[in-house]
Amino acid sequence: DGGITQSPKYLFRKEGQNVTLSCEQNLNHDAMYWYRQDPGQGLRLIYYSQIVNDFQKGDIAEGYSVSREKKESFPLTVTSAQKNPTAFYLCASGGDRDSYEQYFGPGTRLTVT
Amino acid sequence: DAKTTQPPSMDCAEGRAANLPCNHSTISGNEYVYWYRQIHSQGPQYIIHGLKNNETNEMASLIITEDRKSSTLILPHATLRDTAVYYCIVRVAWKESNFGNEKLTFGTGTRLTIIP
Repeated sequence: DGGITQSPKYLFRKEGQNVTLSCEQNLNHDAMYWYRQDPGQGLRLIYYSQIVNDFQKGDIAEGYSVSREKKESFPLTVTSAQKNPTAFYLCASGGDRDSYEQYFGPGTRLTVT
Repeated sequence: DAKTTQPPSMDCAEGRAANLPCNHSTISGNEYVYWYRQIHSQGPQYIIHGLKNNETNEMASLIITEDRKSSTLILPHATLRDTAVYYCIVRVAWKESNFGNEKLTFGTGTRLTIIP
C-alpha cells in the first residue's frame, strides 16, 4: 500500500536527550513536511523539504534539525535545545506539482520528562 | 493565504447529513478551498477541494457560494466514524504555486460529534 509511515507511535525521553523521529513515504513525492500539534491547537510547520538534499525552516524550527538524503525519508531530530518538546509530531508529503493535497502520516506522540 | 472562520463545534445525528460551514471572505481568485479532517490522535486526512464549482467525491460534497466567500462541506449520511475535527483551508493550489512557503495553515477547525 502507498502511504506515509511514522515510527514509533509513542516515544518517551528524558530531558536533555536528543531524539529522532522517523518518516518514510512510498508515494514518490518530492515534497515532505514536519508539523507539530499541541493539544487543542492547529498544526505548526517545523521544516519542509521540496527536493532531496534541500530543506527549509518553517515557522518553529528552533531546537529541531532534519536531513533529506533520500527522497523517501525525512527524519526529524528533536534536540535538547527545544524548550517544550512534548507534542504530537506529524509528517506529510505531497503538495508538489504532481498533487493537489498533502498526505499525512499517523503521527508520533513524544513525551519528554 | 486567506483566513477562514469555522464554528468551534457541531453535533449531528447519525444517519443525517452533516453540514459544516466555512467563511473565507478574503479569498483570492486563484485560491482553492480545501477540507481536511483529523480523527483523534491521527494524522489529518484530505477530504475534498474546489475552486468555484461544487465538487463531490466518495466522502463528501463541497458547495461553494457564487461569490466564493463561503463554503459548506456536506457529509451526506454521517456515521459515528465521522466524529472528528474538520479543517477548512484556503490556499493556492500547489500545482500553481511558486513554492514560496508550502504549508497548510490549519486553524482550530470544527469539532463534529455524531450522536447515535
